[in-house]
Amino acid sequence: DGGITQSPKYLFRKEGQNVTLSCEQNLNHDAMYWYRQDPGQGLRLIYYSQIVNDFQKGDIAEGYSVSREKKESFPLTVTSAQKNPTAFYLCASSTRKTVLNTEAFFGQGTRLTVV
Amino acid sequence: DAKTTQPPSMDCAEGRAANLPCNHSTISGNEYVYWYRQIHSQGPQYIIHGLKNNETNEMASLIITEDRKSSTLILPHATLRDTAVYYCIVRVDWAGSYQLTFGKGTKLSVIP
Repeated sequence: DGGITQSPKYLFRKEGQNVTLSCEQNLNHDAMYWYRQDPGQGLRLIYYSQIVNDFQKGDIAEGYSVSREKKESFPLTVTSAQKNPTAFYLCASSTRKTVLNTEAFFGQGTRLTVV
Repeated sequence: DAKTTQPPSMDCAEGRAANLPCNHSTISGNEYVYWYRQIHSQGPQYIIHGLKNNETNEMASLIITEDRKSSTLILPHATLRDTAVYYCIVRVDWAGSYQLTFGKGTKLSVIP
């Protein structure tokens, strides 16, 4: 079945360490997104990518980095510079940016806890 | 950018219709209204979207006012599994690309 997969589901990290969250989609979508969600809050956009080898900062990109070397993959690295990294991270994908009439598909999320 | 306003929470009796309102008074002519829902600790799930005509699918109905400044998502027969946070979103143009900007949504509690 086509879909978007995030791994791992739960992740623990020691303070000061970098960690990479995986996001893979087999929907042939051009656009991919990373969101962060804190308890009781909505989703905030971290980074997005509309095509391979190109990505843009969202509202809260500081302390995060991404790459888009393949259409199917959009990994997110949470660096030690992110001051409050404990959160629920969601990856999404959608079809071409210029098409307004498209829905986004979300993964099931990765819950990152800094210990 | 068109922003949306939703009530923070609503209750609905099981089996009754749930009507979730959304205001988007600054929406522009080519922006679609999307609805997603998020069940606790899961990724958001697409429900429905529309431009100016009312829309219906197997999950819900979307009623958009004629001036497009507000809309209502209708779950015709709410079940306990419909308990979730519902997000009303207008797809906005941000830095030359189109984004989905999520607010805090409406927490719908379906009561037995």
